Amino acid sequence: DAKTTQPPSMDCAEGRAANLPCNHSTISGNEYVYWYRQIHSQGPQYIIHGLKNNETNEMASLIITEDRKSSTLILPHATLRDTAVYYCIVRVYGGATNKLIFGTGTLLAVQP
Amino acid sequence: EPEVTQTPSHQVTQMGQEVILRCVPISNHLYFYWYRQILGQKVEFLVSFYNNEISEKSEIFDDQFSVERPDGSNFTLKIRSTKLEDSAMYFCASSERGSQAFFGQGTRLTVV
Repeated sequence: DAKTTQPPSMDCAEGRAANLPCNHSTISGNEYVYWYRQIHSQGPQYIIHGLKNNETNEMASLIITEDRKSSTLILPHATLRDTAVYYCIVRVYGGATNKLIFGTGTLLAVQP
Repeated sequence: EPEVTQTPSHQVTQMGQEVILRCVPISNHLYFYWYRQILGQKVEFLVSFYNNEISEKSEIFDDQFSVERPDGSNFTLKIRSTKLEDSAMYFCASSERGSQAFFGQGTRLTVV
């Protein structure tokens, strides 16, 4: 699976959009971008995933660049409860290897 | 909304004792996983399980560890002779084939 690079930490004001970047320059054509988050020591929570088109669900939006070498997770109106470590993970969808390789992620601190 | 449930939430055991961590995956999922997270460190993959057998395991998952699906609903992780360094949060996850994994809230294992 391709390696990802994320900033170690970011701040965001409550009510504003949080934009979390991720670089995955070695991504291959059949690899998807997944985003998870972990609030304190709880279990990782699935947020969203995508291949090349932008995706949106009730939690967030995922913007993937045309060359697929980077992506941005957008939380449109961050709340204090969105304070968490956010993980960007690249892996093959539907492949035999289903494991997730977690990096160190981005610690997003939402400020009141 | 379906969820992965884990019991107990916290387990304290003496070094050398056997422990069994229990998980109830989401009912229509066929792929099951265990991950662990030592305090302050990354979430690490341990093992994946499909069709009543291990499909992949990491270097961490040595002979002290075993997994089992004893009935149609439970998925267990057994550590035969616990060591101090086994102290960690253990997360169970489940998924449909190739799709996103959903995690439980974890069991905090403390070995004393």
